[in-house]
Amino acid sequence: NAGVTQTPKFQVLKTGQSMTLQCAQDMNHNSMYWYRQDPGMGLRLIYYSASEGTTDKGEVPNGYNVSRLNKREFSLRLESAAPSQTSVYFCASSEGWNYGYTFGSGTRLTVV
Amino acid sequence: EDQVTQSPEALRLQEGESSSLNCSYTVSGLRGLFWYRQDPGKGPEFLFTLYSAGEEKEKERLKATLTKKESFLHITAPKPEDSATYLCAVQAGGGTSGSRLTFGEGTQLTVNP
Repeated sequence: NAGVTQTPKFQVLKTGQSMTLQCAQDMNHNSMYWYRQDPGMGLRLIYYSASEGTTDKGEVPNGYNVSRLNKREFSLRLESAAPSQTSVYFCASSEGWNYGYTFGSGTRLTVV
Repeated sequence: EDQVTQSPEALRLQEGESSSLNCSYTVSGLRGLFWYRQDPGKGPEFLFTLYSAGEEKEKERLKATLTKKESFLHITAPKPEDSATYLCAVQAGGGTSGSRLTFGEGTQLTVNP
């Protein structure tokens, strides 16, 4: 089983450029999440999708948009990248609220 | 606002030297407390979920316990392969917040041979 697959693994953007981070899971999970991880800040929730067709803002949604394309795929878009968005981005999925998350291996994004 | 504080930030142990990691939390109605392990360059890996005070769960050399204010991750006779960052997270409240985890910053554990 692949679990949660994120692409790309590494990316360097210039300020103002846009990009989409892709995430797909093959476990038939209902819920999917996007987190960012920064030194000294821990993992912070950007957006989540409790089920197909729904999305909600998390703790740090500004500068991001998401699309739950279908049950498997949940993408994160940066419309105009800023240096403050330099981070490691993790996608995760879960079967429900009381189940542990399965995380992808992350996307390391640098905005210069 | 839900808060999770982990201590210590970093811990160095000798192989076989048992110890505990702490996770203190402040939430409005705890639904679950989660422990994860994260290796460098990888995503967190789920270890345990605890739901109520007094609950304990074990996996190999790890045992997690829960009180009304904190959780402990006890590591018995650790091995070098237990070296990782251990993350604690809480899920609180109801409605839409019930799907969200709030994470602590983690404890970086190093076990020397």
